[in-house]
Amino acid sequence: SQQGEEDPQALSIQEGENATMNCSYKTSINNLQWYRQNSGRGLVHLILIRSNEREKHSGRLRVTLDTSKKSSSLLITASRAADTASYFCATDAAGANSKLTFGKGITLSVRP
Amino acid sequence: NAGVTQTPKFQVLKTGQSMTLQCAQDMNHNSMYWYRQDPGMGLRLIYYSASEGTTDKGEVPNGYNVSRLNKREFSLRLESAAPSQTSVYFCASNRDRGQDTQYFGPGTRLTVL
Repeated sequence: SQQGEEDPQALSIQEGENATMNCSYKTSINNLQWYRQNSGRGLVHLILIRSNEREKHSGRLRVTLDTSKKSSSLLITASRAADTASYFCATDAAGANSKLTFGKGITLSVRP
Repeated sequence: NAGVTQTPKFQVLKTGQSMTLQCAQDMNHNSMYWYRQDPGMGLRLIYYSASEGTTDKGEVPNGYNVSRLNKREFSLRLESAAPSQTSVYFCASNRDRGQDTQYFGPGTRLTVL
């Protein structure tokens, strides 16, 4: 069963706008990661945030983590047509059997 | 430095046929993984290998077997393919399980008729 659930399932915005994607999860985690997948390609890692971190930045990406609400958000600022892709959150559950569990993904379309 | 490579890129099988998907990484990673991706389902873990010589079941292992041939290579075998195994298969690796990000291969698109 999926640990991370992304919201919304699909998002369509105009180039230059910001895109916000959310992820909720159920159990305690070591870290939460966001990945991007372009059509027909493998997943590419974007950013990792550990359970003791609240916010992280990487270029135009900003990720927040609220462990009390078991949720995370990914903000892409000043979006570009090249940001069109599917975005997945993945949680690394705490414990001896830690492994990544992926959500179903968010389809982002950025219109030129 | 090729990262994670997978072969073949595409494959069509008939029900009951067998095949092996190959995966190799050149990043000296300890852990390797096999996932399947189906529409609307995200990625689901089939098997993983935390280190050379060990393999463990993931979320959906039925109908599959794996071999960690050496530190670089991790293969996935379908002994008797079924239409339900039509999917896109991804191999991934990372330094250590649970420690950092995973690096993905380009995927194998498998169709079972």
